Parts: sequence; C-alpha cells; structure tokens
Amino acid sequence: DIQMTQSPSSLSASVGDRVTITCRASQSISSYLNWYHQRPGKAPQLLIYAATSVQSGVPSRFSGSGSGTDFTLTISSLQPEDFATFYCQQTYSTPYTFGQGTKLEIK
Amino acid sequence: QVKLVESGGGVVQAGRSLRLSCSTSGFTFSSYGMHWVRQAPGKGLEWVAVIWHDGSIKYYVDSVKGRFTISRDNSKNTLYLQMNSLRAEDTAVYYCARDARVVASPCDSWGQGTLVTVSS
Repeated sequence: DIQMTQSPSSLSASVGDRVTITCRASQSISSYLNWYHQRPGKAPQLLIYAATSVQSGVPSRFSGSGSGTDFTLTISSLQPEDFATFYCQQTYSTPYTFGQGTKLEIK
Repeated sequence: QVKLVESGGGVVQAGRSLRLSCSTSGFTFSSYGMHWVRQAPGKGLEWVAVIWHDGSIKYYVDSVKGRFTISRDNSKNTLYLQMNSLRAEDTAVYYCARDARVVASPCDSWGQGTLVTVSS
C-alpha cells in the first residue's frame, strides 16, 4: 500500500496568514493526489484534485502543487472558515489511502 | 442538487452483521462510481471500498476484504455496504461519496455519514 505522510500534523495560524501543508507519498503517484478539508462534525469537502485543479466553487486562495512524491496545499490568506482539518489522498492505486491529517487552528 | 443520505448505522455486537445504504438523488447515479470512506472516533479518514458505475469492478482496503461487500442498485439509485463479522475496530462514521469522474477520481460529493458502533 502507498503511505501518505502529511506535515505538519497541526498548525496554528492567524487570519490573513499564508499557510502551506505538505503531503509526501511513499512512492511516485504522478498527479493522482486530492486534498480535502473537514470541519468538526461535518463531512469532508473536496478542495483540489489531480494535485493542482481547484474544485468548482472553492475559493481561489486555495492552490495545489507537486507531482511524483511531494505535494503542497497552499492557502494564500487564511479566512475564519478555513480552520479545519486537511487531508491528502492518493488515488494512484488501491487502496486509496489518506494522509493522517493536518489540523489548522486559530492562533 | 446532488444529495447522498446514508442509513443503517447503529450499535451491533462483534461478529454480527449490518448493512448500510446510501440513497442518492440529483444526478444520474448509474453513470458514477461510488466510494465508502470511514472515520473512527477522533481519527482520520480511511478509504474502505469503491464500485464502478455499472458494478463490474470493486476494490477494498485489506482490513475489510472477505468481510465487507460493496454493491449498488442502479434502478433504486442506492449504494450499499454489507458488513459481516464486525469487529470493534470497525467502529466509525461511514460516509458514502461520489466519484467525480475526472482525473484522480476525487470524491466530490459526500453524505452526512452514519455511525456504526461495534460492541465487544
């Protein structure tokens, strides 16, 4: 199975900050990498798919980059509604594994 | 609008069975692959299974192979997860999600989840 490792596991930031979350795959997954966020008690929501494509309806402050084994999710200017847990997921091969999550908290 | 509603969760003894359903509306169900994803209390997301739009292909995470079966009824716009030989470690919120049918097969719509609690 492909292991996905996110860093950091938690992060404190302020409204307006620029934030970057990293996801590393245990082997090359080309661009088969998706990003989700999840607010407490809610279902996950798709942010970025295929490493760099922004899902329809997602604000432009979210962007994704990377290919192969190393990927990043960047939020250019944090908004209050962005404080949540973020997950990466590889869909290169089954099982479609998720990273362990990055919890973004208000500083 | 796209809507997915899970049902069938509850408290069940270890070793017993449970069937989850995911009722869908707002899109052509028979054209989309579908996933089950679970989340143990206080933990991260774990992908469980996927089924192709026509039910022809299914994949599972190793921990549920031979115990869980994903299926669908395209005439009823409904996805299922039959869970047998349940274990305490299967305790989780189970989400159904639609495969977006774009590169990288992301899950673009999710249900609200149904909680399965396995008591030992």
